[in-house]
Amino acid sequence: AQKITQTQPGMFVQEKEAVTLDCTYDTSDPSYGLFWYKQPSSGEMIFLIYQGSYDQQNATEGRYSLNFQKARKSANLVISASQLGDSAMYFCAMREGNQAGTALIFGKGTTLSVSS
Amino acid sequence: DTGVSQDPRHKITKRGQNVTFRCDPISEHNRLYWYRQTLGQGPEFLTYFQNEAQLEKSRLLSDRFSAERPKGSFSTLEIQRTEQGDSAMYLCASSRDPAGAFYNEQFFGPGTRLTVL
Repeated sequence: AQKITQTQPGMFVQEKEAVTLDCTYDTSDPSYGLFWYKQPSSGEMIFLIYQGSYDQQNATEGRYSLNFQKARKSANLVISASQLGDSAMYFCAMREGNQAGTALIFGKGTTLSVSS
Repeated sequence: DTGVSQDPRHKITKRGQNVTFRCDPISEHNRLYWYRQTLGQGPEFLTYFQNEAQLEKSRLLSDRFSAERPKGSFSTLEIQRTEQGDSAMYLCASSRDPAGAFYNEQFFGPGTRLTVL
């Protein structure tokens, strides 16, 4: 079974609008962390936001917020006020367990295209 | 802080040849990871080092793949007898090891794109 599922291969949004990128996860471990990364065409993975399984509040980082619904096992990324520079591939990832060194498990990604 | 660097950025080789990639992590980071990303997919974990010790290897890391991190600084990933299926982006990431912390962000390098002809 897929550990991380991103069901939207591509999303299109106009500048200044908000967009939600979906992510669902599957784990039986009570301790886990959820990450979102951005990958522009240059290829480098850029960390955006993190949510821990025990965090009571949804994470926010500037224009990025994570809509964490633990019971539904979803961790959707919300980008407010989209900018042209937001056009990129976005990956949801999970770390299972409580060891900081555990590798990340990535989804297949969503391509976001922002138009003017 | 100059970030994670990888060399080369691009490598084209013929099937059957050996290739070696290098990763230089952020200087104070003691953890180093290698991932492989094929077209249209997310990165997949290959192996992980804490300092010079290789602590975990994925089943994706066949016996043609070997990784080292001498002295706990830079790391090399070697692929012997390359196959066309090895064509991918090879990403390196590093992170710190703050005691007692579960969250540690992995910083990624720009990747090495391998094309096997």
